[in-house]
Amino acid sequence: EAGVTQSPTHLIKTRGQQATLRCSPISGHTSVYWYQQALGLGLQFLLWYDEGEERNRGNFPPRFSGRQFPNYSSELNVNALELEDSALYLCASSWRRQGIGGYTFGSGTRLTVV
Amino acid sequence: AQSVTQPDIHITVSEGASLELRCNYSYGATPYLFWYVQSPGQGLQLLLKYFSGDTLVQGIKGFEAEFKRSQSSFNLRKPSVHWSDAAEYFCAVGAPNYQLIWGAGTKLIIKP
Repeated sequence: EAGVTQSPTHLIKTRGQQATLRCSPISGHTSVYWYQQALGLGLQFLLWYDEGEERNRGNFPPRFSGRQFPNYSSELNVNALELEDSALYLCASSWRRQGIGGYTFGSGTRLTVV
Repeated sequence: AQSVTQPDIHITVSEGASLELRCNYSYGATPYLFWYVQSPGQGLQLLLKYFSGDTLVQGIKGFEAEFKRSQSSFNLRKPSVHWSDAAEYFCAVGAPNYQLIWGAGTKLIIKP
């Protein structure tokens, strides 16, 4: 069974640009969660999508947004990039009924803003 | 508000020695508790979880954790560590709306 896949593995952007990160969940999983892991700040919850809708978002500005497609894959967009957005962005998926009990994480996208 | 504290940023243990990683949480109701491991440059792998029932939970890779409600703790243990256990370990508590609240992590260093 394929795991959660994230692309790209690494992304280098210039301040002010936009970044798009992608996540494909495990087959059958309907929920996708995005987390930011910044140096010194630990893991912070960003967004939760389920059945194509945003169900919850963490304490991040609106320039962090995303969507979930009909095949349950998801995209995270970060607009007007700032240096502080440099981090590892992790995606996880689960069946909705399992919720947090069934998280499986991808290996992440390392975003570097210069 | 929910929070998780991992008081040790780094821990160094000799290979073959026992290990205990500490985790304290703050949560109003019965917590859902997790331990994850992250190898360098990798995502997070679930080691074990506690939802209810037996307070001693067995996980993968020979790890176990004990939930102690009176101490608001969920410490992770392993009787004998291997060099391959070197990684960062995260404790987390489940919060409403299916998100996890994470500790800052403990980096485990193994001495040969």
